[in-house]
Amino acid sequence: ELKVEQNPLFLSMQEGKNYTIYCNYSTTSDRLYWYRQDPGKSLESLFVLLSNGAVKQEGRLMASLDTKARLSTLHITAAVHDLSATYFCAVDPGGSQGNLIFGKGTKLSVKP
Amino acid sequence: DTGVSQNPRHKITKRGQNVTFRCDPISEHNRLYWYRQTLGQGPEFLTYFQNEAQLEKSRLLSDRFSAERPKGSFSTLEIQRTEQGDSAMYLCASSPNHFRQGRVGTEAFFGQGTRLTVV
Repeated sequence: ELKVEQNPLFLSMQEGKNYTIYCNYSTTSDRLYWYRQDPGKSLESLFVLLSNGAVKQEGRLMASLDTKARLSTLHITAAVHDLSATYFCAVDPGGSQGNLIFGKGTKLSVKP
Repeated sequence: DTGVSQNPRHKITKRGQNVTFRCDPISEHNRLYWYRQTLGQGPEFLTYFQNEAQLEKSRLLSDRFSAERPKGSFSTLEIQRTEQGDSAMYLCASSPNHFRQGRVGTEAFFGQGTRLTVV
């Protein structure tokens, strides 16, 4: 059974600081997704990582994928309050199926 | 609005009643997915459709759950004889086909969800 583990599950950080969220998964996959969810809202797609070594950046967020280590990271640079949300990684185990397996999410709180 | 639309947004029902949710995907998307999310957890896959064909169902989808996509456009998810454990957010998502040869990735776009409370 494919497992997707995120850590930490809760992260409280101050504005201006840097931090990394980790996503480990237990089986081979070459597709990994990061989503953001605000309280009471749906999921917003952030990044799609399709190959080993893929790196994507958008604003203060940068995501990378190491398929050999079965690890993806989401790095936050100089955090701001607007980044407060829950971040999910999701793995596509079937390749072309699209039924994603999600981690439990990392609840990020950025304090002034 | 060209995003994924779900109705209703909230539903409160008594235990034992039947409920039906609707999802309208992004118009050009062939694939449609249903997920369930409980508090503090990530979404869990329930089922998905390629056009009108239901191609996969999770073990989470008990006999009380049925999903349809009759014309390959909108979809409905019905829960019969609801139980308190069915209380959750039900999320619908859609995506175009994946094209592996071209390595073009296509992610799923999610709707706002239907929050079900069974009392």
